[in-house]
Amino acid sequence: EAGVAQSPRYKIIEKRQSVAFWCNPISGHATLYWYQQILGQGPKLLIQFQNNGVVDDSQLPKDRFSAERLKGVDSTLKIQPAKLEDSAVYLCASSLISYNEQFFGPGTRLTVL
Amino acid sequence: AQSVTQPDIHITVSEGASLELRCNYSYGATPYLFWYVQSPGQGLQLLLKYFSGDTLVQGIKGFEAEFKRSQSSFNLRKPSVHWSDAAEYFCAVVHNNAGNMLTFGGGTRLMVKP
Repeated sequence: EAGVAQSPRYKIIEKRQSVAFWCNPISGHATLYWYQQILGQGPKLLIQFQNNGVVDDSQLPKDRFSAERLKGVDSTLKIQPAKLEDSAVYLCASSLISYNEQFFGPGTRLTVL
Repeated sequence: AQSVTQPDIHITVSEGASLELRCNYSYGATPYLFWYVQSPGQGLQLLLKYFSGDTLVQGIKGFEAEFKRSQSSFNLRKPSVHWSDAAEYFCAVVHNNAGNMLTFGGGTRLMVKP
């Protein structure tokens, strides 16, 4: 069974630029999550989708972050414009049932200069 | 506000020694509890989980954890550590509210001495 795929693995941009991350969850997993993991901290949930609907985006900085999950499969997270404090690893995860085991992708390491 | 606390930021143990990583949560009801491991450059992998029933749960790679309601704790243990166990360990809790949001602790970095 293929795992959660993410791309790119690394991205370096300058502040005020835009960036987008892509995630393809495990086939059949209805729930998809985006997390932000700042160095030395645990992951923090940014947004949770159930199929193509948003379940929770209370911690998503909506003035600069956006996410979509068209057709209830893969998802894109965008930052526009980026700030220095957005430097982090962005993790995508998926699960069969929302409260059960989440399977994580390898993450995208973003550096904002 | 609900929170998950891992009091030890770094722990160093000798190979073959026993290990216990602490986790405390602040939550009104009995939560769903998880331990994840993150190796360098790798994604997070589930070690074990507790939903209900027997308070001692077994996981992969020889790990176990014990849920103690009276102490609001879910400590992770391993009787004999291997060098390959060096990684970052995260305790996490599911909030049984809308969306079942997973909240992570700050993590404990484990180093293993030869």
